Amino acid sequence: NAGVMQNPRHLVRRRGQEARLRCSPMKGHSHVYWYRQLPEEGLKFMVYLQKENIIDESGMPKERFSAEFPKEGPSILRIQQVVRGDSAAYFCASSNGQGSPTFGSGTRLTVV
Amino acid sequence: SQQGEEDPQALSIQEGENATMNCSYKTSINNLQWYRQNSGRGLVHLILIRSNEREKHSGRLRVTLDTSKKSSSLLITASRAADTASYFCATVYSGGGADGLTFGKGTHLIIQP
Repeated sequence: NAGVMQNPRHLVRRRGQEARLRCSPMKGHSHVYWYRQLPEEGLKFMVYLQKENIIDESGMPKERFSAEFPKEGPSILRIQQVVRGDSAAYFCASSNGQGSPTFGSGTRLTVV
Repeated sequence: SQQGEEDPQALSIQEGENATMNCSYKTSINNLQWYRQNSGRGLVHLILIRSNEREKHSGRLRVTLDTSKKSSSLLITASRAADTASYFCATVYSGGGADGLTFGKGTHLIIQP
């Protein structure tokens, strides 16, 4: 039982590049949540997905950010044309829709 | 592991009563955070308390932190039916990787009308 796997652990991108963050949920979990954490702040909800469907994207910025959770493979959070303000830790959590969510270790994105 | 552990795992009280949940952890921390999760929704950040703070208030919420006992409590006063949710504590430990969060398993709070 490998838990929620996020990769990469650290990601450095230059301004204007694209960032792709991956999240493999726990085995048997079909619900995935993405959160962003700025330094010294709490998690901010971004998006909630079930397999192939976006359930709630109320926390996603309107531009440059997108998320998917395909039938096969990990969930992907994509940030296009990154800016310095996108630098943060991005956490993924998964659940089976009933129990407590299990969190990954996060991806630390640094935009230079 | 320095995972936060919430106590109790489940709590059922009458509307209007106060609800107290506790959290314990194992290592030195930078800060401790409380979150709420309603069924089928994502986590909502409630309050953050830093390691050099002892008490913090936000509306009907009161959080205390005792670093000597490595514990925190969340008090919800004058509970309402809408407070029914799971509550999680999360710690950011001071040993490096400072923006990593470790969550406990949560307390499921039920407010009876």
